[in-house]
Amino acid sequence: DTEVTQTPKHLVMGMTNKKSLKCEQHMGHRAMYWYKQKAKKPPELMFVYSYEKLSINESVPSRFSPECPNSSLLNLHLHALQPEDSALYLCASSQAAGMGEKLFFGSGTQLSVL
Amino acid sequence: AQTVTQSQPEMSVQEAETVTLSCTYDTSESDYYLFWYKQPPSRQMILVIRQEAYKQQNATENRFSVNFQKAAKSFSLKISDSQLGDAAMYFCAYRGGSNYKLTFGKGTLLTVNP
Repeated sequence: DTEVTQTPKHLVMGMTNKKSLKCEQHMGHRAMYWYKQKAKKPPELMFVYSYEKLSINESVPSRFSPECPNSSLLNLHLHALQPEDSALYLCASSQAAGMGEKLFFGSGTQLSVL
Repeated sequence: AQTVTQSQPEMSVQEAETVTLSCTYDTSESDYYLFWYKQPPSRQMILVIRQEAYKQQNATENRFSVNFQKAAKSFSLKISDSQLGDAAMYFCAYRGGSNYKLTFGKGTLLTVNP
């Protein structure tokens, strides 16, 4: 199983809503990542978890709250988002967080904030 | 800071022909990895090939090969016998020892014509 599964695939939310994105992998990977990708742009790193601990936060606004309940699961909790937060949110995982590690990506959640 | 430059926003190739996508990068680090990822319309980022900077031998994966010129800081991707399924956005990416962050270029959109 080399899949990273993201749910939901699409999400529409209002600026006052609270929602969560979910990411799951069963490859035994110990590093997991959240990326944000705007249309026609490369992905931008948001967070990195290594061994279930947050190791990198790329100065992401607090309306985005990551959570890693266990080594297979990564969540991104969303609250009071802005329309400019509309984007594709990609989850990825790797064996570890080292620089040579191959990242495996999910298909993303397309988020629209109204 | 490391930067990755892809100078070709769009490229096209005839089916069964060969195409080369360009990538240059800037870094002061001596130890790093370079990657090519493809993103088809399904939006999932898929690793195409990986190159370790300390290896002089160019990486190959079936129809995909790279021309890694470390002194020139150049890392081009050659796709041989192009297939319709190769149509995608291709991102060149760098990951070094300073913070292990994966830095992407802006991407090259490859069209494969039948």
